[in-house]
Amino acid sequence: AQSVTQLGSHVSVSEGALVLLRCNYSSSVPPYLFWYVQYPNQGLQLLLKYTSAATLVKGINGFEAEFKKSETSFHLTKPSAHMSDAAEYFCAVSDTANFGNEKLTFGTGTRLTIIP
Amino acid sequence: DAMVIQNPRYQVTQFGKPVTLSCSQTLNHNVMYWYQQKSSQAPKLLFHYYDKDFNNEADTPDNFQSRRPNTSFCFLDIRSPGLGDAAMYLCATSRDRAQGVYNEQFFGPGTRLTVL
Repeated sequence: AQSVTQLGSHVSVSEGALVLLRCNYSSSVPPYLFWYVQYPNQGLQLLLKYTSAATLVKGINGFEAEFKKSETSFHLTKPSAHMSDAAEYFCAVSDTANFGNEKLTFGTGTRLTIIP
Repeated sequence: DAMVIQNPRYQVTQFGKPVTLSCSQTLNHNVMYWYQQKSSQAPKLLFHYYDKDFNNEADTPDNFQSRRPNTSFCFLDIRSPGLGDAAMYLCATSRDRAQGVYNEQFFGPGTRLTVL
């Protein structure tokens, strides 16, 4: 079974400051890892994904994440927070051996608040 | 633009009154998913269709059913909604993972269900 753990259900940062959202995974096979963003009353939008290519992954809106196998981590970062980054962020894992569909297991989410 | 559409965006039903939520897609993806997301929680997969093959998650209550009459449409039927079924219901689509190539899930905006 695979799972992800997001440390910190709420994170607040000042506008212009570094954003760091933490995600650790557990998987018996090499994982595919993802970060999704969800704005209020909206669906999920893919920010970025790791699918066994480069360990440093760049996504949309200036976000990036680094896959660290030794730490079983996939933390999301952005050098400078913007007010529009305020949202809920979900880390998710997919089983690389799971052919036929792209079933995802989500973490519990981190609500990011930006302080003006 | 190709997209995933969910109707209605907001649905109010009475305790025990059957309700149907709709999802359509213009992406021509062969896999469709239904997730339940309760307030401040992660999306939880209820079931998915791989083409016409229905795949139920082990812990999805019998109260939840689904239909996929064609590639473009998928419905979520809740036979006797309880207060605990109030949630956001998210539809997503993807291609299947042919030849080991991962294909991301695309999410609709969701339907927020209220049970009175």
